[in-house]
Amino acid sequence: DIQTTQSPSVVSASVGDTITMTCRTSQAVSNYLAWFQQKPGTVPKRLIYISSSLQSGVPSRFSGSGSGTEFTLTITNLQPEDFATYYCLQHASYPRTFGQGTKVDLK
Amino acid sequence: EVQLVQSGGGLVQPGGSRRLSCEASGFTLGLFWVTWVRQGPGKGLEWVATIKQDGSEKYYVDSVKGRFTISRDNAKNSVYLQMNSLRVEDTGVYYCARERPLAPYDYWGQGTLVTVSS
Repeated sequence: DIQTTQSPSVVSASVGDTITMTCRTSQAVSNYLAWFQQKPGTVPKRLIYISSSLQSGVPSRFSGSGSGTEFTLTITNLQPEDFATYYCLQHASYPRTFGQGTKVDLK
Repeated sequence: EVQLVQSGGGLVQPGGSRRLSCEASGFTLGLFWVTWVRQGPGKGLEWVATIKQDGSEKYYVDSVKGRFTISRDNAKNSVYLQMNSLRVEDTGVYYCARERPLAPYDYWGQGTLVTVSS
């Protein structure tokens, strides 16, 4: 099974900051990596798929990159609505595995 | 409007059973793979099971193999998760989501809470 690990677990940031979080997989997954945002009590929302493709309707301040085993999600000019938990998902093979999440909170 | 509407959650005793349903509206669910994802209280997302468009392929996380069964009825535009021998650790919110190759989980159901407790 492919292990999926996110870091850091928590990012403390301010509005306007640029933040980056990382997702690493224990085996190469090509670019079969997606990112999701979840706010408390709500349904997860897909932000990025195939490592760097932006979901329609998602602001361009979100960007993804990487291939193989290391991937990043970057949020530039952080907005109040971006404080949430972010999860990566490898969908190269079964079982699918999510990272444990990175929580972005207010510094 | 594209929607996945879930039903079937609730309180169940350990060892009991429950069937979750996920019905699509606004699109033909039979054209998509469908996945169930769960989230324990205060925990992260966990992939549970996936079924191919025609039901010919099914995949499960190890912790539910032999206890949960994913199925579908394309005539009813629905996917199901039959959960047997439920354990306390199966407690959580269960989501269904549709999947296309290279583009997983673009639409999700609203989630349904399953609580396994005596």
